[in-house]
Amino acid sequence: RKEVEQDPGPFNVPEGATVAFNCTYSNSASQSFFWYRQDCRKEPKLLMSVYSSGNEDGRFTAQLNRASQYISLLIRDSKLSDSATYLCVVSGDSSYKLIFGSGTRLLVRP
Amino acid sequence: EPEVTQTPSHQVTQMGQEVILRCVPISNHLYFYWYRQILGQKVEFLVSFYNNEISEKSEIFDDQFSVERPDGSNFTLKIRSTKLEDSAMYFCASSDPGTRLNEQFFGPGTRLTVL
Repeated sequence: RKEVEQDPGPFNVPEGATVAFNCTYSNSASQSFFWYRQDCRKEPKLLMSVYSSGNEDGRFTAQLNRASQYISLLIRDSKLSDSATYLCVVSGDSSYKLIFGSGTRLLVRP
Repeated sequence: EPEVTQTPSHQVTQMGQEVILRCVPISNHLYFYWYRQILGQKVEFLVSFYNNEISEKSEIFDDQFSVERPDGSNFTLKIRSTKLEDSAMYFCASSDPGTRLNEQFFGPGTRLTVL
């Protein structure tokens, strides 16, 4: 089983749509969880950290389900500028190293 | 807003040559990292560095790789004898472990091409 697994997409949605990405992780002792976005040939940029109680930042909402080892990201009112690859990332139980999923590609069309 | 910087943006080298990739982490951060991303693949951890020593390294980080903090601002990754399969984007990152989740911030990367 992959350490962090994501649907590669692409998700092709119209502007204004709501889109949800899911991710599962294999290490139940993982401590920290993040969503990064990556534009083509650019660095990963931290979108949001994911807290146990779930958290929201503007149009973005992240949820964590430790029992199911599942993380989600919801994007409301999609903008053209949201087109990117969204990376699910976890940090180890006794380690600061980040473990990346392969990413889910989002295309927002006019 | 403080950011991680990396030089060069693109490095082309011949197989067997040594390369040094340079990074300037965010100034008040204490943990430094190198990751790499082969074209079309996921980002992979190479090494973490804290208090002037390696704190963790992956299987990829073999004897051909080394890291150094030569002064108070730079953090370098050296590949002693490059191989074709070392061609990738190399990202430096830094974090302040005093923050609750140890969020890591990435530099723009160095694209290494080994011919």
